[in-house]
Amino acid sequence: GAGVSQSPSNKVTEKGKDVELRCDPISGHTALYWYRQSLGQGLEFLIYFQGNSAPDKSGLPSDRFSAERTGGSVSTLTIQRTQQEDSAVYLCASSLWFLGTNTGELFFGEGSRLTVL
Amino acid sequence: AQSVAQPEDQVNVAEGNPLTVKCTYSVSGNPYLFWYVQYPNRGLQFLLKYITGDNLVKGSYGFEAEFNKSQTSFHLKKPSALVSDSALYFCAVRDEDFNKFYFGSGTKLNVKP
Repeated sequence: GAGVSQSPSNKVTEKGKDVELRCDPISGHTALYWYRQSLGQGLEFLIYFQGNSAPDKSGLPSDRFSAERTGGSVSTLTIQRTQQEDSAVYLCASSLWFLGTNTGELFFGEGSRLTVL
Repeated sequence: AQSVAQPEDQVNVAEGNPLTVKCTYSVSGNPYLFWYVQYPNRGLQFLLKYITGDNLVKGSYGFEAEFNKSQTSFHLKKPSALVSDSALYFCAVRDEDFNKFYFGSGTKLNVKP
């Protein structure tokens, strides 16, 4: 696609429910990142996928958080048993893997705003 | 460990005046540095980057940034600010393994008419 697409743009859920957030990266981008941005805060790294390599999960805050990437394209971030502190904007970004003269900057989606009541 | 510091939470400038948003970094290898802008309720937009070469990098919307290796800084600048430049600005560094991007805490730029 033309840009990184995220859905839903807004999600309101009750504490304890599970949520799934979807990211469709730019076509041909092999690297995909998830970040979390709490209100007025910076970006917190969550997870990184590159091609068929094992993902870097070092930023996931707890075992309630998981992510997968199917077919090297679309990614889903799942939050189980949501808590109020999970409320944030979840940003997805993709980039070309660094081969030759690739640029390497991140292209961000518009984000999914999660509100846990 | 890699890190980025943006020492100012907020910068206020008058329209038409020059602006500077500060960024310092810490990396173990060669720095790959980026600036992004975020408008309200939007994702981050890429402004410019430094990978190698000229220390003065020019980017989108008239912004530029100067890489200073001795001071480990990558300050964002613009000669003449516009009200429409008001937004949240993030500095980022990518580690040499090309994996993670580390972001600063962001600086809110307010340009007043």
